[in-house]
Amino acid sequence: DTAVSQTPKYLVTQMGNDKSIKCEQNLGHDTMYWYKQDSKKFLKIMFSYNNKELIINETVPNRFSPKSPDKAHLNLHINSLELGDSAVYFCASSQYRVQPQHFGDGTRLSIL
Amino acid sequence: AQTVTQSQPEMSVQEAETVTLSCTYDTSESDYYLFWYKQPPSRQMILVIRQEAYKQQNATENRFSVNFQKAAKSFSLKISDSQLGDAAMYFCAYRSGRRGTGTASKLTFGTGTRLQVTL
Repeated sequence: DTAVSQTPKYLVTQMGNDKSIKCEQNLGHDTMYWYKQDSKKFLKIMFSYNNKELIINETVPNRFSPKSPDKAHLNLHINSLELGDSAVYFCASSQYRVQPQHFGDGTRLSIL
Repeated sequence: AQTVTQSQPEMSVQEAETVTLSCTYDTSESDYYLFWYKQPPSRQMILVIRQEAYKQQNATENRFSVNFQKAAKSFSLKISDSQLGDAAMYFCAYRSGRRGTGTASKLTFGTGTRLQVTL
């Protein structure tokens, strides 16, 4: 039983395209996150939702738009993909401020 | 803003030996949480151990233990009896204990330490 699952695991696409990454958690957590891990392995928060409400929106280009249809799902849509968007994107969830964050397996996005 | 520093980009340890990974952080807060995450080549992010800043006792999880020095803002991870499966990137992370603001729940990561385990 996968606790935090992301799809797809790998995404290869061309510059200028629009793509989405989906995330679902079955832990009953009320907070979900998107992190970006760059080529040097540095992890940085992008967004967070608590009970479908956006609570963290770091300095991210507005080509990135998160959407949380319910508290078990958090999707990430990226418009007009650029070479610099190539990275591994991790979804995570937690029970707000109480429990540690549990991560998905990541989605490796490669822009050609 | 909080920062987390891991000054050892790479470390190596022989199987069955003990290794310590260092982490320092900078914060003006008194209530916070610290974590060590492991990222093996499979790319998963696996929680290894956590420490609440208000607890004086160092956390332990089987072969993993921490040395938490609050005054020095230091949070090192000790791995005893190292195994081949311990080879991975290890990330130290900080989370605020502040209530009421969403940004407090985010994790701030260090740059990671790559641990090699040799026979």
